[in-house]
Amino acid sequence: DIQMTQSPSSLSASVGDRVTITCRASQDITNYLAWFQQKPGKAPKSLIYAASSLHGGVPSKFSGSGSGTEFTLTISSLQPEDFATYYCQQYKSYPLTFGGGTKVEIK
Amino acid sequence: EVQLVESGGGLVQPGGSLRLSCAASGFTFSDHYMDWVRQAPGKGLEWVGRIRNKAYSYTTEYAASVRGRFTISRDDSKNSLYLQMNSLKTEDTAVYYCNRVRHCSGGSCPDYWGQGTLVTVSS
Repeated sequence: DIQMTQSPSSLSASVGDRVTITCRASQDITNYLAWFQQKPGKAPKSLIYAASSLHGGVPSKFSGSGSGTEFTLTISSLQPEDFATYYCQQYKSYPLTFGGGTKVEIK
Repeated sequence: EVQLVESGGGLVQPGGSLRLSCAASGFTFSDHYMDWVRQAPGKGLEWVGRIRNKAYSYTTEYAASVRGRFTISRDDSKNSLYLQMNSLKTEDTAVYYCNRVRHCSGGSCPDYWGQGTLVTVSS
């Protein structure tokens, strides 16, 4: 199975900060990488697929990059509604696997 | 508007069975693969399994933790997805989400999520 490791597991940031979350795969997944946002008590929301493509309706403050084994999710200017937990997922091979999540909290 | 509505969750004893449903609307259900993903209380997301569409003979994939106990099926005439869960264990306690899957630049990834249904396995 492909292991997905996110770092950090949590971070504190202020409104307006630029935030970067890293996701590493245990083997090459080319660009078969998705990112999700989950707020407390809510279902996850799909943000990014193919490492860098935004799903429809996702604001451009979210961006993704990377290929192979290392990927990043960047939020260009953190807003109150962005405080949430973020997960990566590889869909290169079965079983599909998620990272452990990164909780973005208010400083 | 794409909508996915899960139902069927509840309290069940270890060793018991439960069938979850996911009612889909707002898109051509029969065209899409569908996934189940779960989340244990206070934990991260875990992929449960996938069912492909008719073009791929409704074939399925499962996580090792549920293979042989869980079965994913679908009824395209009813725009519905199902998860039959047998031999339930306490570690199956989780919120279960259904996902629509789309083609994503050569692969297949989830785009829309349901609101989830809670399954509690306890004596």
